[in-house]
Amino acid sequence: DAKTTQPPSMDCAEGRAANLPCNHSTISGNEYVYWYRQIHSQGPQYIIHGLKNNETNEMASLIITEDRKSSTLILPHATLRDTAVYYCIVRVDTSGSRLTFGEGTQLTVNP
Amino acid sequence: DAGVIQSPRHEVTEMGQEVTLRCKPISGHDYLFWYRQTMMRGLELLIYFNNNVPIDDSGMPEDRFSAKMPNASFSTLKIQPSEPRDSAVYFCASTPGLYYGYTFGSGTRLTVV
Repeated sequence: DAKTTQPPSMDCAEGRAANLPCNHSTISGNEYVYWYRQIHSQGPQYIIHGLKNNETNEMASLIITEDRKSSTLILPHATLRDTAVYYCIVRVDTSGSRLTFGEGTQLTVNP
Repeated sequence: DAGVIQSPRHEVTEMGQEVTLRCKPISGHDYLFWYRQTMMRGLELLIYFNNNVPIDDSGMPEDRFSAKMPNASFSTLKIQPSEPRDSAVYFCASTPGLYYGYTFGSGTRLTVV
């Protein structure tokens, strides 16, 4: 699975959009981009995933560049409860492929 | 839906004792995973099952660790004998298929003294 690079930490004001970047320059054509987050003392929570098209759900939007070498997770109106570590993971969706968590980005939403 | 249920939430045991962690996946989810999280190593996949069959146990640290899934609604992770370095939060997760997102439980915080 391709490696990902994320900034170790980011800050965001409550009510503003939080844009979390992820670089995955070695991504292969059959690898998906997954985002999870982990709020302190809780289990990781699935947010969204995509292959090459932009995706949106009730939690967030995922923007993947045309060359697929980077992506951005967007939380449109961040709240204090969005403070968490956000993990960007690249993997194929077939048997034998592990969901491997890296270091992630610590997002702090400030009042 | 109650989600993935893990028990106990906290476990404190003495070195050398046997420890059993339990997990009930979401009904209908064919895949079950055991992860371990420590400050030093982050989240590590230990083992995963598909339709109750262990598929990949290469993450299991050593023979002291064993995992079973006797049926679709129950799995155990056993450590015998336990050691202080096994202290961590152990998460169980399930998913209906590898394409989908995983649902994690709340974890078991294990402390071995």
